[in-house]
This record gives sequence, C-alpha cells and structure tokens, in this order.
Amino acid sequence: DAGITQSPRHKVTETGTPVTLRCHQTENHRYMYWYRQDPGHGLRLIHYSYGVKDTDKGEVSDGYSVSRSKTEDFLLTLESATSSQTSVYFCAISESQGGDQPQHFGDGTRLSIL
Amino acid sequence: AQSVSQHNHHVILSEAASLELGCNYSYGGTVNLFWYVQYPGQHLQLLLKYFSGDPLVKGIKGFEAEFIKSKFSFNLRKPSVQWSDTAEYFCAVNARGYQKVTFGTGTKLQVIP
Repeated sequence: DAGITQSPRHKVTETGTPVTLRCHQTENHRYMYWYRQDPGHGLRLIHYSYGVKDTDKGEVSDGYSVSRSKTEDFLLTLESATSSQTSVYFCAISESQGGDQPQHFGDGTRLSIL
Repeated sequence: AQSVSQHNHHVILSEAASLELGCNYSYGGTVNLFWYVQYPGQHLQLLLKYFSGDPLVKGIKGFEAEFIKSKFSFNLRKPSVQWSDTAEYFCAVNARGYQKVTFGTGTKLQVIP
C-alpha cells in the first residue's frame, strides 16, 4: 500500500468550530486530493493540489480550504464546521495528473459535526 | 463535463453466482476508466483500469471489465463471486488531459455464503 497517513482517524466536534484534517504521504507524489464520501453520492472532490502551494477547487469546495506547504503534507480546513460536513474524508495521491495514473487512497477520517 | 452513472445501488448474490455491475459515463472525448473496490471499513483500492488498447481489461482477484465505446460503458464482471467479494464498487472516469477523476455513486455488493 502507498504510504498515506490521515489524521485524525476519527473526530467529533461542534458546529461552528474550526477543524483541520491532515494528509501525509511518503511517496513524493506531486498530486494530492481531498474527497468526501457520503451515502448515495459516492466520492466527491473537495480540493486538489498539483504541487507545493498549487491548489484548485473541486466540485464541493464551499466551506473548505486547503494548504500545501510541503510536498508530503496536504491540509484540509473547515473554517466553521456545519452539520452538513459530517462525512468520511479521504485523501488520495497520484504520480501524475488526473487519470493518467491511478489514485491511491488513505484510510479516511470519520468526522462528525454535532 | 464528465459524469458517471452506476445504476445498481445494491446487489445481493449467492456465492458462485456471476456478477456484472453496470457503469456508464458521459463524455465525448477520450477517457481513462477505473474500477475501485472498498472493503468494509477500508480505503478504496484499484481493481483495474483502462487507458487504451484491448477493451477487455483484466484486474485483480478475477475481475474484468469491458470498455464499449459505442455504449459509453465500462461494466465490471466476475464469473463466480466469493463471500470475500462483499464490498462497495466504484466506477470512475477521467477525461484524458484533465486533472479530475469523477466517481460514480457506488454499488454495494453483498455475497451470501
């Protein structure tokens, strides 16, 4: 398995609080992605990164921000968490853009917003 | 924009039955296609991929998929399922040259011993 570590693995927090999820990779891959997985919706792309300090929005980016200051770390921040952001969040990495190479996924973070 | 449809949301099969999961995509150009599997409590893993060449693609664990360009389809098949195939299966499409991969909503497969 690819060296991807997501932290925390589980988190429960309250509406209105800031939350930061971390994705750390040891593969030195250029591309990193954040998805959320919800029943009936599959995986939806939140944000992605194509290099250090290079990021772009996905299809469900509202309410989320990201940062990538080092190749190995990609942070996802919920500035003010809402109950609709309760979900399972997956980080993925890829050697090349888009679908030229398969994406490798982390183990996920289960986030509950009360 | 690219999109993917998986029409079967939940499939229940007995062991040794044959499996076919449907996947249709919407995009007029060249695509890369994937099937991923997610076992209970685990992350997504690649089953197989199609980039070009032989439209019949063989993956891990006895799975295969056939790309039919005229039907915009990439159905997943397995001749004889096992209890251990119980999982959720996701089809995904990438419009070649573009950054994003779009995932379908998934099909939950339950195999009964």
